[in-house]
Amino acid sequence: GENVEQHPSTLSVQEGDSAVIKCTYSDSASNYFPWYKQELGKRPQLIIDIRSNVGEKKDQRIAVTLNKTAKHFSLHITETQPEDSAVYFCDLFKTIFGAGTRLFVKA
Amino acid sequence: IAGITQAPTSQILAAGRRMTLRCTQDMRHNAMYWYRQDLGLGLRLIHYSNTAGTTGKGEVPDGYSVSRANTDDFPLTLASAVPSQTSVYFCASSPLSGDGTDTQYFGPGTRLTVL
Repeated sequence: GENVEQHPSTLSVQEGDSAVIKCTYSDSASNYFPWYKQELGKRPQLIIDIRSNVGEKKDQRIAVTLNKTAKHFSLHITETQPEDSAVYFCDLFKTIFGAGTRLFVKA
Repeated sequence: IAGITQAPTSQILAAGRRMTLRCTQDMRHNAMYWYRQDLGLGLRLIHYSNTAGTTGKGEVPDGYSVSRANTDDFPLTLASAVPSQTSVYFCASSPLSGDGTDTQYFGPGTRLTVL
């Protein structure tokens, strides 16, 4: 069945550095690849998504890249700020979430 | 209203008791979902509904039941709660656009503790 692996599980960066989180999947049928951010004690919220007919999408400091041949998609956060500290989840087929990456941005 | 709401916010429950978690959305979304999130872990799908009158099982359905009598409401019932059901429960909804490109909108969550 469908499976998605998310790495790393924890990521600690210095403020201003970049952060990259990667999800690898096993099934090629998905055509939608969203990323959700969950702050401590809050609900997950969509931060960026990409359709399968696009290789990259940017929204200010965040971007998502998709490699359908290699079956992976990645979240890129540039110029990280302390408020980027949260857990990030990738999603496949709407209901299959990655295990999450806890991002710490040190001031 | 403000999108999708859940009640209660938190609950402490004795093992063996019956409990219903409520979820209501005002976005007229076709699909609704229930997830549980255990401490430090990701989201696991319990049950889902693609439209009013239909439901389906997710990854971890045992011990839970759902109903979808109308578009707006999707209650989750624990018939006889056990301590392993201690978790944070999130309800979500999505438009179900038909092309597989749906964003999910999450409720604020219900923190349930079973003693």
